[in-house]
Parts: sequence; structure tokens; C-alpha cells
Amino acid sequence: ETGVTQTPRHLVMGMTNKKSLKCEQHLGHNAMYWYKQSAKKPLELMFVYSLEERVENNSVPSRFSPECPNSSHLFLHLHTLQPEDSALYLCASSSMQNTEAFFGQGTRLTVV
Amino acid sequence: QQPVQSPQAVILREGEDAVINCSSSKALYSVHWYRQKHGEAPVFLMILLKGGEQMRHEKISASFNEKKQQSSLYLTASQLSYSGTYFCGTPKEGSGGSNYKLTFGKGTLLTVNP
Repeated sequence: ETGVTQTPRHLVMGMTNKKSLKCEQHLGHNAMYWYKQSAKKPLELMFVYSLEERVENNSVPSRFSPECPNSSHLFLHLHTLQPEDSALYLCASSSMQNTEAFFGQGTRLTVV
Repeated sequence: QQPVQSPQAVILREGEDAVINCSSSKALYSVHWYRQKHGEAPVFLMILLKGGEQMRHEKISASFNEKKQQSSLYLTASQLSYSGTYFCGTPKEGSGGSNYKLTFGKGTLLTVNP
């Protein structure tokens, strides 16, 4: 257990569906992240929230919509996804200084 | 621009040593090392800071060569528990060295056999 909890762990959705991924941390961190991990590709930073403000949007398509209602929760809203969006989506949190990031177990997303 | 890791994969027998390299074409402010075991979340190992000391995590150490724009991870007397994929991350170009906007390499798969 890293202190970062993601739900659901697995998700299968059709291209016309709308779903949301949830991430929760109670480590007192003030930065939260979404990463995408695909087979044979590096970890790709998608979004960064610092003090609940989005500070990074790494050229992510608009079909991915993040939300950070408070410093402990982070969501990733999904709609009209494509099969190539199938991947492991990892949430992480950290302080904003030179410290480690704690990753959640990830949500394995399959778009059919 | 993502850092380049080498080798892509390495297989060891328990007790053997290995070196994993992480290189960047840009000046490095810091290098972050993570290990991810199959089906698990990446776990932080250490951060190497510009001008900082060589770091250690158990029997794993790392160095940071600013001139070569490279970091190396040294795994000595490897244990079965060292198996996993090792990622290095560097601050994203244009982020001013921000440590919370990292670009990761493709990873090095380390397998330690009995």
C-alpha cells in the first residue's frame, strides 16, 4: 500500500460510454498527477495539479478531462474514447519539493 | 524529450551486479529512479540532484554525472527482489527543473534468477 488509492482497478468501456477514474490520497501531498502507461511505451505524464490548480496539460486529447475538487482527490473523466486509449492509468501524488512521488496501483482500462 | 535508458533488458543470477544508465540530450537538474514490479505501482528509489551526493537505497546506489548528462544505477549483489522494470525520470524540458513534471525513459527490465 502506497497511500494512494485508485478505483476502479479494471474498467472495460465502449467508445460511446462516459466513465470516471478516481484517485484518493491522505498523505498530505499538494500535487497530484495522472500518468498513462502503455505497453512498450514510457510512462507519459498527462496532467499535474498543484494546490488544486492544473499546472500541466501535456497535449492530452479533450476526451480526457481531469478534475481536482480538493487536495486529496483527483478524477479523470473519460468520454468517447478510442481503442488506442486502452492502457494502465496511474495516479500519483507528492509534495512540490524534491521528494518522491507515490503511485497508486492504477486502473487497467480497455476500450472496446 | 525523454531520457534514454540502457540496456533495455538485463538478466542476472542472484548475487551478480548490474548497471543501468540514463542519458539525456539536455542539461539535467535532477534524475529520479523508480522500480515497478509486474502488476504493481512504480515505487520510488531515489533522486539524484545536480551537485548532490551519490545516493543509496539498500544495496542499490546511483550517481549523477552533470557533464555527461547521465545517471547510472548500480545494483550490487542482486537479490531476487530486485526484479522489475527500472525507470529514470528527468524534469520536463521547459519546466525550469521542476521535479513534479517528469519525463520518463522507456525502462530497463531486470530479471534476477536464482
